[in-house]
Amino acid sequence: DQQVKQNSPSLSVQEGRISILNCDYTNSMFDYFLWYKKYPAEGPTFLISISSIKDKNEDGRFTVFLNKSAKHLSLHIVPSQPGDSAVYFCAARDNFNKFYFGSGTKLNVKP
Amino acid sequence: KAGVTQTPRYLIKTRGQQVTLSCSPISGHRSVSWYQQTPGQGLQFLFEYFSETQRNKGNFPGRFSGRQFSNSRSEMNVSTLELGDSALYLCASSRGGADETQYFGPGTRLLVL
Repeated sequence: DQQVKQNSPSLSVQEGRISILNCDYTNSMFDYFLWYKKYPAEGPTFLISISSIKDKNEDGRFTVFLNKSAKHLSLHIVPSQPGDSAVYFCAARDNFNKFYFGSGTKLNVKP
Repeated sequence: KAGVTQTPRYLIKTRGQQVTLSCSPISGHRSVSWYQQTPGQGLQFLFEYFSETQRNKGNFPGRFSGRQFSNSRSEMNVSTLELGDSALYLCASSRGGADETQYFGPGTRLLVL
């Protein structure tokens, strides 16, 4: 039973445009959400996070939006760069400090 | 500051064997979590250790076990390997408090033949 879902396995965008990666979750007890980026042959690297008490967090080109009523999380990358091409995982933490990950979205930014 | 290290990076075993994977967390981090990544399944949580105690456990069979040492280094053991255990095993460390980000190691790629 997947509590965190990334329904788009892949996404392709043009360099300079916006990339929007989406994530849905089912557990209303999740209180902390994160996005990770993963390159081949490397472990995931932390990108940005958001607490459930907020609806937006911004860090440079990366912005995470949280819509609690819709149980939806999104990551916006503006402007997208070829170096952003990677697999992006969203993750959520429950009140037992356990993390749940989505299956990932492979982003391809075309030059 | 050195990152999370995992050894070995690659491993080939046969069905029925057992395997031990090692993870050294970032200095000062007391929490170590283990994940299994298979194609299309994302990262599946195995267990978390904090101060040498298992604090959380995922839905994996008892063949999967772990431990943590006083220096926070952790080992994961899989006994009686099955073909389906072939995966990338990732460990992540954090300080262990609230809103603490996990930092991942490069993973151990296990192939079971």
